[in-house]
Amino acid sequence: ELKVEQNPLFLSMQEGKNYTIYCNYSTTSDRLYWYRQDPGKSLESLFVLLSNGAVKQEGRLMASLDTKARLSTLHITAAVHDLSATYFCAAPGGTSYGKLTFGQGTILTVHP
Amino acid sequence: DTAVSQTPKYLVTQMGNDKSIKCEQNLGHDTMYWYKQDSKKFLKIMFSYNNKELIINETVPNRFSPKSPDKAHLNLHINSLELGDSAVYFCASSQEGFSYEQYFGPGTRLTVT
Repeated sequence: ELKVEQNPLFLSMQEGKNYTIYCNYSTTSDRLYWYRQDPGKSLESLFVLLSNGAVKQEGRLMASLDTKARLSTLHITAAVHDLSATYFCAAPGGTSYGKLTFGQGTILTVHP
Repeated sequence: DTAVSQTPKYLVTQMGNDKSIKCEQNLGHDTMYWYKQDSKKFLKIMFSYNNKELIINETVPNRFSPKSPDKAHLNLHINSLELGDSAVYFCASSQEGFSYEQYFGPGTRLTVT
């Protein structure tokens, strides 16, 4: 059974600092998804990584995928308060068509 | 234009009642999903339909029954509600093929008292 684990689960950052969220998954997958969820809101798709070595950037966020290491990272550069949210990674896996297994989520709080 | 919509947004009900949540997507997607997010924010897939056909049916009590009248709609009916059913339920949709990202609805917060 596919397991997806994020690290850390809680992240308190100061504005202007850099940090990385890690997402490990247990079985082979050539794609990985990152979502953002604001409190009381829905999930918003951030990145879709579709191959080994894929790197995508949007503003202060950059995501990468290493399928050999079964690892994806979400790097935050010069954090701002607006980035405060819960970030989820998700990997497709198993034999079920379209099934995504989500990590536990990383709650990011950016302080002034 | 709302891409994936759900009704109701909030649902408060008593144990033992039966309730339904409706979902509609106007993206032209072929596949729709139901997820449950518990109080610790853990997200778990419950069901998936592709072109009205049940594809994924995770280990979910049979009190939960999905129904897809057409590929733009996926409803969730819950019988004999229990306290443990309290959660946020999200509907999502995607193009056919699991390489496509899933678009989530706004969620339905279900509280069972």
